[in-house]
Amino acid sequence: DVVMTQSPLSLPVTPGQPASISCRSTQSLVNSDGTTDLHWFQQRPGQSPRRLIYKVSWRDSGVPDRFSGSGSGTDFTLEISRVEAEDVGIYYCMQGTHWPHTFGQGTKLEIK
Amino acid sequence: EVLLVESGGGLVQPGGSLRLSCAASEFTFTNYWMHWVRQAPGEGLVWVARINEDGTYTTNADPVKGRFTISRDNSRNTLYLQMNRLRAEDTAVYYCATFGRQWLLSYWGQGTLVTVSS
Repeated sequence: DVVMTQSPLSLPVTPGQPASISCRSTQSLVNSDGTTDLHWFQQRPGQSPRRLIYKVSWRDSGVPDRFSGSGSGTDFTLEISRVEAEDVGIYYCMQGTHWPHTFGQGTKLEIK
Repeated sequence: EVLLVESGGGLVQPGGSLRLSCAASEFTFTNYWMHWVRQAPGEGLVWVARINEDGTYTTNADPVKGRFTISRDNSRNTLYLQMNRLRAEDTAVYYCATFGRQWLLSYWGQGTLVTVSS
């Protein structure tokens, strides 16, 4: 199975400050058609996961533009330009290129 | 708005069976793959199974192979997960989800809790 490794696992952030989460995969996530199925999800306490970013860098509908994704191959990053209180939750990267699809362990973002 | 509503969770003894359902509405159910993802209490997300648009192709993750069966009834817009020989480690919230074609969409249900305990 493709292992997804996130860092850090805990991320305390002051409101208004930026935040960054790294995600690395044990295999390349590039499909034969050149696309890359690396996605980012946010899970707020007590809620279902919500996708923020799909295919590395595309924001889902309704996602604030302070969220951005980047990366290629096996190394990916989720960035929040200015953290707000509503961003508290656990962030997961996920690969949909290989079966079984796999998630990272999750990064818990908290407000300082 | 797309709606996915899971049901069928509950308390079951080890070795028992349970069938989860996921009722879909406000989208063309027959156009998309469907998935089950679970989350043990306080833990991360784990893929369980997936099924193609017409139900002719399914794959399960290793921990549930031979015990769980994913299926769908496109006439009822409903996804199922038949869970047999349940173990304590199957205790989790089970979510159904769909991601459209080529992962261009993302919709999740609210989840249903399965507790396997004597």
